[in-house]
Amino acid sequence: EVQLVESGGALVQPGGSLRLSCAASGFIFSDHHMDWVRQAPGKGLEWVGRVRKKTYTTETAASVKGRFTISRDDSKNSLYLQMNSLRTEDTAVYYCTRDTSTSTDSAFDIWGLGTMVTVSS
Amino acid sequence: AIQMTQSPSSLSASVGDTVTITCRASQDVRNDLGWYQHKPGEAPKLLIYAASTLHSGVPSRFSGSGSGTDFTLTISSLRPEDFATYYCLQDDSYPLTFGQGTKVEIK
Repeated sequence: EVQLVESGGALVQPGGSLRLSCAASGFIFSDHHMDWVRQAPGKGLEWVGRVRKKTYTTETAASVKGRFTISRDDSKNSLYLQMNSLRTEDTAVYYCTRDTSTSTDSAFDIWGLGTMVTVSS
Repeated sequence: AIQMTQSPSSLSASVGDTVTITCRASQDVRNDLGWYQHKPGEAPKLLIYAASTLHSGVPSRFSGSGSGTDFTLTISSLRPEDFATYYCLQDDSYPLTFGQGTKVEIK
């Protein structure tokens, strides 16, 4: 079964750090770009960033640039989100998602159930 | 960043109705536009990609159209399981950006 399972969400104080993980199974992980998307309470979906296949280069949203780092370990079929200098506005459910990564199209076709990050003192 | 403006932000409809949601991009995104369905407590689901291509397994009552800056998601013959929030997402350029969402509620 094709699956993404996030973990690592927790309650953390402002200014703190947290590392989220996403375990992939059922597909060839290294063939796909992988992304993080978040949803703050009562808000819509917000793209956080991407790590590309093969090159491992990344793109991140302006709201997290310089604070969040996305990485992957293809040998472990895992995606990571290192979050530093956390702010209360980073409170959200964080979703891991797979990009179809075909030669012509791009879309998020597989999603995890998400992991909750709460930033509060 | 490209701004994606969805309308309406919410709507009430009955089972069997046809509903239309629009998404407007602040600049040309070609056909690099997808539609997603999201229910509380669940993972979002891909419905449409490349503006009009139905994702595998998605019922044919969902359809998408448009290119450039104006896009439409149409749900024909609304079913009880279609009540959810719908988002458009442009993947033409970084940062990728979602519309603010359209909540489809039962009338």
